[in-house]
Amino acid sequence: NAGVTQTPKFQVLKTGQSMTLQCAQDMNHEYMSWYRQDPGMGLRLIHYSVGAGITDQGEVPNGYNVSRSTTEDFPLRLLSAAPSQTSVYFCASSQQGSTDTQYFGPGTRLTVL
Amino acid sequence: DAKTTQPPSMDCAEGRAANLPCNHSTISGNEYVYWYRQIHSQGPQYIIHGLKNNETNEMASLIITEDRKSSTLILPHATLRDTAVYYCIVKDAGGTSYGKLTFGQGTILTVHP
Repeated sequence: NAGVTQTPKFQVLKTGQSMTLQCAQDMNHEYMSWYRQDPGMGLRLIHYSVGAGITDQGEVPNGYNVSRSTTEDFPLRLLSAAPSQTSVYFCASSQQGSTDTQYFGPGTRLTVL
Repeated sequence: DAKTTQPPSMDCAEGRAANLPCNHSTISGNEYVYWYRQIHSQGPQYIIHGLKNNETNEMASLIITEDRKSSTLILPHATLRDTAVYYCIVKDAGGTSYGKLTFGQGTILTVHP
């Protein structure tokens, strides 16, 4: 299993541009989440999904959209990039059950100029 | 979810045990204690979790006090590769909090030769 994969690894955008960060998992996990991590800080939840077709907002959802058309994929869309969205983005997945152990991808480092 | 308090940084000599404390005085009866770590620039990695009893796995041991207001993560023989930020997270393992983690600042553990 590849686990949780994220593309791209690095991205530079200009203010106002849009883009999609890709996240995929091959573990058949129901739950998937997006976090952002700013320098020197812990991760903050952006959006999450409890299954295909179901998404909800986390702590910092503004400026981001998500959709979950398949179990495997959970893309994160930046509608109009702003410098405040410069961050490292992590995707995670977990299996429904008693442990709720989350598996994280390697991250996407995004810089908005 | 209950909040946690961790020391900002700790040092440990290679080969010695690393004992990382966490205070969670407002933990409720159905909340688990989870530990994750984040090695520089990588996605967080699950270490261990527990409810009441002490737990041990191939990576670490988790000691939870009887009143559950604090816990200690023990890395029995720390290596240089254990240098990371360690996050103690308290959360309900099910219900509406499933698939969501709330990260604090964590403890930066530095293992030195």
